[in-house]
Amino acid sequence: DAKTTQPTSMDCAEGRAANLPCNHSTISGNEYVYWYRQIHSQGPQYIIHGLKNNETNEMASLIITEDRKSSTLILPHATLRDTAVYYCIVRVAPSEKLTFGTGTRLTIIP
Amino acid sequence: EAQVTQNPRYLITVTGKKLTVTCSQNMNHEYMSWYRQDPGLGLRQIYYSMNVEVTDKGDVPEGYKVSRKEKRNFPLILESPSPNQTSLYFCASRTPRWVSGGEQFFGPGTRLTVL
Repeated sequence: DAKTTQPTSMDCAEGRAANLPCNHSTISGNEYVYWYRQIHSQGPQYIIHGLKNNETNEMASLIITEDRKSSTLILPHATLRDTAVYYCIVRVAPSEKLTFGTGTRLTIIP
Repeated sequence: EAQVTQNPRYLITVTGKKLTVTCSQNMNHEYMSWYRQDPGLGLRQIYYSMNVEVTDKGDVPEGYKVSRKEKRNFPLILESPSPNQTSLYFCASRTPRWVSGGEQFFGPGTRLTVL
């Protein structure tokens, strides 16, 4: 599976949009981009995933560049409860193997 | 309520004493998996199972065993635990159709300490 690179940590003011980048320059054509987050030491929580097109759901938006070498997760109106570690993962369907990196620790500041 | 449960949540044991961490899901998912999480290393997959009686190794299977005799249960077995298996363990499940979905449900975690 392609490897991902994320910043170690980021801060964002409460109420603002949080933009979390992810580089996956070795991604191949059939690899999906997934985002999960982990609050404290709870089990990771699924956020969103995509292949080529931008995606949006009730939690976030995912913007994937045209060359698919990078993506950005956007939390449109960050709240204190969004403070967590965010993981960007790329994987091949239908393989069930998930490889988590060390993620980005996002801190929402009041 | 759809959920993945793990037991025990916390366990302190000694080197060499066999233990089992149970995992159960009530969503009729075919796919289940075990991960361990260590500081600075993120989550690493130990074993996964595509369905009953079908299991395969993840990235760090050494020192672990699993079994999948029933769809809802996927126990993690440490035959002879060692201190380097001290970690936070997560069980997860989903239907194995990544193209149509992506949500993997994780359990609450089991914090294991091996002395």
